[in-house]
Amino acid sequence: QKEVEQDPGPLSVPEGAIVSLNCTYSNSAFQYFMWYRQYSRKGPELLMYTYSSGNKEDGRFTAQVDKSSKYISLFIRDSQPSDSATYLCAMRAAGNKLTFGGGTRVLVKP
Amino acid sequence: KAGVTQTPRYLIKTRGQQVTLSCSPISGHRSVSWYQQTPGQGLQFLFEYFSETQRNKGNFPGRFSGRQFSNSRSEMNVSTLELGDSALYLCASSLLEPNTEAFFGQGTRLTVV
Repeated sequence: QKEVEQDPGPLSVPEGAIVSLNCTYSNSAFQYFMWYRQYSRKGPELLMYTYSSGNKEDGRFTAQVDKSSKYISLFIRDSQPSDSATYLCAMRAAGNKLTFGGGTRVLVKP
Repeated sequence: KAGVTQTPRYLIKTRGQQVTLSCSPISGHRSVSWYQQTPGQGLQFLFEYFSETQRNKGNFPGRFSGRQFSNSRSEMNVSTLELGDSALYLCASSLLEPNTEAFFGQGTRLTVV
């Protein structure tokens, strides 16, 4: 079993809809959580960074961390075709390596 | 502010050769980590450096090595290349301790023929 599980998708939504992404993990020591967006043939772009539990909002993006359930989420409001990409969750315990989920491919249709 | 710069962007090598990839972190960042990305395995951690010291190492064979210089620039080397080493190699930098946000470069796409 992988340390971080992420549905590979593809997740197809109409333009303007809310995109809901999530990851589950098994390592209770994970404290730092990140979401990345990766376009084809590009490096991952950091979208959200969260320490420990709670919610964080930045523009159209909201990240949630529920450490008791070992579950993190990313919501994208008012999705646009330019949001079509692969979204990767990543997390780490203090001083340890960053562990990635496999990524979810998202398609936003005009 | 310049981002993470990786050179070269593309590389074609023959089996058995060795290759050196370079990463220049964001100015002021002191931590650099390396990842291999393939369609089948996703993003896999190679190693991580902070202030020239290797802090963490992934489960890759000894053919994969790296180092960090006093100016925080980093290089990784792969010796005796195999076809399976074909991948996108990504470098990420963090400001201080590796626990802070990690920002990625565009990667070096290595093809081994």
